[in-house]
Amino acid sequence: NAGVTQTPKFRVLKTGQSMTLLCAQDMNHEYMYWYRQDPGMGLRLIHYSVGEGTTAKGEVPDGYNVSRLKKQNFLLGLESAAPSQTSVYFCASRLAAYNEQFFGPGTRLTVL
Amino acid sequence: AQKVTQAQTEISVVEKEDVTLDCVYETRDTTYYLFWYKQPPSGELVFLIRRNSFDEQNEISGRYSWNFQKSTSSFNFTITASQVVDSAVYFCALSEAIGGNTPLVFGKGTRLSVIA
Repeated sequence: NAGVTQTPKFRVLKTGQSMTLLCAQDMNHEYMYWYRQDPGMGLRLIHYSVGEGTTAKGEVPDGYNVSRLKKQNFLLGLESAAPSQTSVYFCASRLAAYNEQFFGPGTRLTVL
Repeated sequence: AQKVTQAQTEISVVEKEDVTLDCVYETRDTTYYLFWYKQPPSGELVFLIRRNSFDEQNEISGRYSWNFQKSTSSFNFTITASQVVDSAVYFCALSEAIGGNTPLVFGKGTRLSVIA
């Protein structure tokens, strides 16, 4: 049981490049979330999904897109990366009936 | 709107001292959950505790204890006899209602350094 995994762990992009972060969970959780963590800011919600095929915006969605084609996967895309998107990205999931979230190990993204 | 305030940005203590991390929250809901997470230097987020708004009993787990007081909207976390391994950033978080889509709202965290 791997829990929540994230791919890749580290990535360096140039401004304007695109990439996709993959989150996978094997706990059959309905809800999945993408957060970003910046120094002194805590964790801020980017997008979330309440089930396969559904997504919604969080607190800081601009510059990101997401997809949830399969229940176990939640993808975060950056179409045209900007230096302001340099951050650590965390994925989380939880069962529908519980509010406790389980987090992946994080992806450290640097945009030059 | 929900809000979580962790007024202590950084705390340093000497090993074996007790330390309390403060958390104050704001919510208009009568039903909500409060959480504490630990983020050690390795970076992962580790769930510590969940408390629902109907249960004001204090909780103790080994050297950790939590004090939930609705009257002051606080959910404070105490580590007794701190150890170097307790050094981490600790986040308090709030989630309104039970079930449904209730993303966690996090405080900005308190960095605890325990010095040997």
